[in-house]
Amino acid sequence: AQSVTQLDSQVPVFEEAPVELRCNYSSSVSVYLFWYVQYPNQGLQLLLKYLSGSTLVKGINGFEAEFNKSQTSFHLRKPSVHISDTAEYFCAVSDMNYGGSQGNLIFGKGTKLSVKP
Amino acid sequence: EAQVTQNPRYLITVTGKKLTVTCSQNMNHEYMSWYRQDPGLGLRQIYYSMNVEVTDKGDVPEGYKVSRKEKRNFPLILESPSPNQTSLYFCASSPGTGGTYEQYFGPGTRLTVT
Repeated sequence: AQSVTQLDSQVPVFEEAPVELRCNYSSSVSVYLFWYVQYPNQGLQLLLKYLSGSTLVKGINGFEAEFNKSQTSFHLRKPSVHISDTAEYFCAVSDMNYGGSQGNLIFGKGTKLSVKP
Repeated sequence: EAQVTQNPRYLITVTGKKLTVTCSQNMNHEYMSWYRQDPGLGLRQIYYSMNVEVTDKGDVPEGYKVSRKEKRNFPLILESPSPNQTSLYFCASSPGTGGTYEQYFGPGTRLTVT
């Protein structure tokens, strides 16, 4: 069974500072990896995804993430955050096994990013 | 506009009174899913559907029912709601049933059961 661990439940940072949101996963099979963002009172939207190829993935709004297979991690980074990045961020995995649960996402518990002026 | 819609957005009800939360997508997606979001627990999958008339349980299906009679609609039914089903519910859809596909989320339904 897969699982996703987001190591920080809350991350406060000042505007224009860099940020890293950490995500580790465990799985007995190869996985696809995703980061979703949830702005206040809204649904989730996709930030970026890793399917294959380059381990550095660039997403929307200046975010990027690096897949590290040996450390089973998929940390999200942004070099300079804005007030508008205040949101909750979810890491998720989906396995490559095309069985009955194909397409199902397993989510982490989320990290609340709070950007202060 | 391509979107997933949910109704109602907010609902307060009493224990035992049957309710239905509707979900509709206009993107001709095969895959649809329901999640509940609780503080500190993230999103947990309730039920999913890979196509019309094909549904299956997710991680927390107890107390819920679903149906998929049409491709665009995937209603969530609570036959006898209880206070522990107070939560924020999201419907999502995806173009295909492979794990590579992005899921598109609705705006959420906040349910309170007293």
